[in-house]
Amino acid sequence: DGGITQSPKYLFRKEGQNVTLSCEQNLNHDAMYWYRQDPGQGLRLIYYSQIVNDFQKGDIAEGYSVSREKKESFPLTVTSAQKNPTAFYLCASTYVGGGTDTQYFGPGTRLTVL
Amino acid sequence: AQSVTQLGSHVSVSEGALVLLRCNYSSSVPPYLFWYVQYPNQGLQLLLKYTSAATLVKGINGFEAEFKKSETSFHLTKPSAHMSDAAEYFCAVKGGGYQKVTFGTGTKLQVIP
Repeated sequence: DGGITQSPKYLFRKEGQNVTLSCEQNLNHDAMYWYRQDPGQGLRLIYYSQIVNDFQKGDIAEGYSVSREKKESFPLTVTSAQKNPTAFYLCASTYVGGGTDTQYFGPGTRLTVL
Repeated sequence: AQSVTQLGSHVSVSEGALVLLRCNYSSSVPPYLFWYVQYPNQGLQLLLKYTSAATLVKGINGFEAEFKKSETSFHLTKPSAHMSDAAEYFCAVKGGGYQKVTFGTGTKLQVIP
């Protein structure tokens, strides 16, 4: 079955550590996204990528970094510069050029800072 | 610029009652509109989407939504609530030329037995 996988499901970080969240898709989608979800705030866009080796900042990119070396993969690194990283992180992907470009989501990673 | 407003962060209905979740949008171009559902600690699942083909859109699990341009609304309804409908629902709009989607802040639906 095609879909989006995120790992790990739960992640704990100590103060000052960088951590990397994995996102892989086998839908052959061109574009991939990272969102942060906090209670009562909906989804906020961190980074997105429309093509391999290219990505753009979203609304809350500070303290985060990404790479897009392969079409299937879009890992997100939460750096020590992110002062309040505890949140639920969602990865999504979409086929570009299909009209509505509906986004499909992974199951999420819950990051907690200890 | 585009935005989405979901009225009511929490909605409670009795099992078997009508479900109505409100969504109003703004967009400078004809929009695409979406409703997603999220169960606890899971990702978002597409319920339905409006693509300008028809103003009344039917989705999964018995949900439907009607696009009303004059009211800039895209409210989600279901005639009879089921306990399994308890979840958080997000309305979203896409109006730009690239693939940026704006999400509402969500409405948590509680179904009372």
